[in-house]
Amino acid sequence: ILNVEQSPQSLHVQEGDSTNFTCSFPSSNFYALHWYRWETAKSPEALFVMTLNGDEKKKGRISATLNTKEGYSYLYIKGSQPEDSATYLCAFFKAAGNKLTFGGGTRVLVKP
Amino acid sequence: GAVVSQHPSWVICKSGTSVKIECRSLDFQATTMFWYRQFPKQSLMLMATSNEGSKATYEQGVEKDKFLINHASLTLSTLTVTSAHPEDSSFYICSARGARQLITGELFFGEGSRLTVL
Repeated sequence: ILNVEQSPQSLHVQEGDSTNFTCSFPSSNFYALHWYRWETAKSPEALFVMTLNGDEKKKGRISATLNTKEGYSYLYIKGSQPEDSATYLCAFFKAAGNKLTFGGGTRVLVKP
Repeated sequence: GAVVSQHPSWVICKSGTSVKIECRSLDFQATTMFWYRQFPKQSLMLMATSNEGSKATYEQGVEKDKFLINHASLTLSTLTVTSAHPEDSSFYICSARGARQLITGELFFGEGSRLTVL
């Protein structure tokens, strides 16, 4: 059983503040790490697919880093806005054609 | 990104009845579809993987006779909860990928279906 953990489970952020949270995953047999954003009443949408150790990806004010050797990834939100409120899911991808194993998610609430 | 549509969004049924949930890929061919169940405050739990034209592969502990999955075409997969009971009440969500996503593993999700069994 693959163990994919996210922390914290939830966090409240004041509008304009920056925040970050983690995803830990098995450091062996790594292929890719995914981040998804899941807004209420919508479908989860892919943010990043990360494959290389040391990789850093950015989309607007959201960025992510990857450390495959120690098995963790950080997601950062810079200058949080209310529209960033969502659950952020990470998912571990062990091999091409395989299934994803999801973490429990971090629920982010940005307060105006 | 590609669009996946899931219906119904919510359904209430009586105990003992069967409920069908549909998952459609609207603008791509979904060679593989996945069905998940989410319990409150828990992660997405994979129930089964279905490849078009093949029998679904169920995860350990998931009753295949209870949760019937059909993936008869490249754009449609269905999950039927047979003889539903209150303990089957949950949030069910599908995802799909096409041949292009085989390497990256990226998934496109439906909106999910909330099932309540009375």
